[in-house]
Amino acid sequence: DTAVSQTPKYLVTQMGNDKSIKCEQNLGHDTMYWYKQDSKKFLKIMFSYNNKELIINETVPNRFSPKSPDKAHLNLHINSLELGDSAVYFCASSRGQGIRAFFGQGTRLTVV
Amino acid sequence: QQPVQSPQAVILREGEDAVINCSSSKALYSVHWYRQKHGEAPVFLMILLKGGEQKGHEKISASFNEKKQQSSLYLTASQLSYSGTYFCGTEMYSGGGADGLTFGKGTHLIIQP
Repeated sequence: DTAVSQTPKYLVTQMGNDKSIKCEQNLGHDTMYWYKQDSKKFLKIMFSYNNKELIINETVPNRFSPKSPDKAHLNLHINSLELGDSAVYFCASSRGQGIRAFFGQGTRLTVV
Repeated sequence: QQPVQSPQAVILREGEDAVINCSSSKALYSVHWYRQKHGEAPVFLMILLKGGEQKGHEKISASFNEKKQQSSLYLTASQLSYSGTYFCGTEMYSGGGADGLTFGKGTHLIIQP
């Protein structure tokens, strides 16, 4: 079984659209994250959720919103997509600080 | 605060050794090392928690100097499969919550036969 799974793997959409990326983990972890990897391969933390509470929100546009229906899921909603949103988005989970994080396979988002 | 990785890129011949450094301007709680191949997710290599801690994974090992706020990744007798981009991810002391990793810009490692 895949520990952290994301869907879809690829997403091509037009500017201005609203899209969602789903993430599920079956590890029983308390904390889930979203990372963005841009074209220069720079990995940046976007959000961190612990027991359905947002504990950190980096300076990302408010067009991005994480939604966690339960401890095993953390979905990423993006409104009014822009060209600059094109990137690979990784979901991850961990038991907490100082413990390894497990990454999903990534979602390559292309905005045209 | 983003950690600084060096070098940015390394080209080695199979069997040679390499060292990748990661340094922070702030006190660190932990350092995580990942390797990423093109088009794939980052793969966990190891985590270092204590000052002076050194861990090993096959021919890949790492050290963490808490006082100097830096970590080094050692690749010995490199193999073709070691090619990829290596990232260090750091965590700072927090109130117990997990804020996620702050990654360096990565070190591109190319192993030639």
